[in-house]
Amino acid sequence: DIQLTQSPSFLSASVGDRVSITCRASQGISSYLAWYQQKPGKAPKLLISAASTLQSGVPSRFSGSGSGTEFTLTISSLQPDDFGTYYCQQLKTFGQGTKLEIK
Amino acid sequence: QLQLQESGPGLVRPSETLSLTCTVSGDSISSGRYYWSWIRQYPEEGLEWIGYIYYSGSTHYNPSLESRVTISIDTSKNQFSLKMYSVTAADTATYFCAHTDPIEDWFDPWGQGTLVTVSS
Repeated sequence: DIQLTQSPSFLSASVGDRVSITCRASQGISSYLAWYQQKPGKAPKLLISAASTLQSGVPSRFSGSGSGTEFTLTISSLQPDDFGTYYCQQLKTFGQGTKLEIK
Repeated sequence: QLQLQESGPGLVRPSETLSLTCTVSGDSISSGRYYWSWIRQYPEEGLEWIGYIYYSGSTHYNPSLESRVTISIDTSKNQFSLKMYSVTAADTATYFCAHTDPIEDWFDPWGQGTLVTVSS
């Protein structure tokens, strides 16, 4: 079974900062990787599919990159609404999540 | 706009069967190449895919749950359902249904989720 490991598990940053979250897969089986944002009490929201395809309506400050076993979600200029927990997902498996706090 | 909504009991007794239904609106459950999934989230935030179904009735389950789970579909009602048998406290979680692309491997959109507690 594939395992996805996200780093960091917790991130505190200021408005305007550039932040990155990494997702490492235990095997380089698939080129498809998705990123989700979850706010407290809400369902996860798909931000990026196929590693780098931004979903309709998602702000352009979000971007995804990577291939093989290492993938990255980047927020170019952090905004107050970007707080929440971010998850990567591949082959029906989810990473453990990265909790993003706005300072 | 595609929307999904879970429904079902919020409390299930240990050893009994958890039953949930997901009602799809905004599109036909029989359209397209997409599948329909159940996913759960533990109180500690971990997410676990349970399984999915195609409108034809074809299913695929998480191997770790396959022996205790059945997913079915009712195209006439635009609904699909989850049954999980012999539940324990470890099955306490928020259960989500989600629209699924099995090729590009994503889930979107999700229902709002429903908390199911297993307790006597």
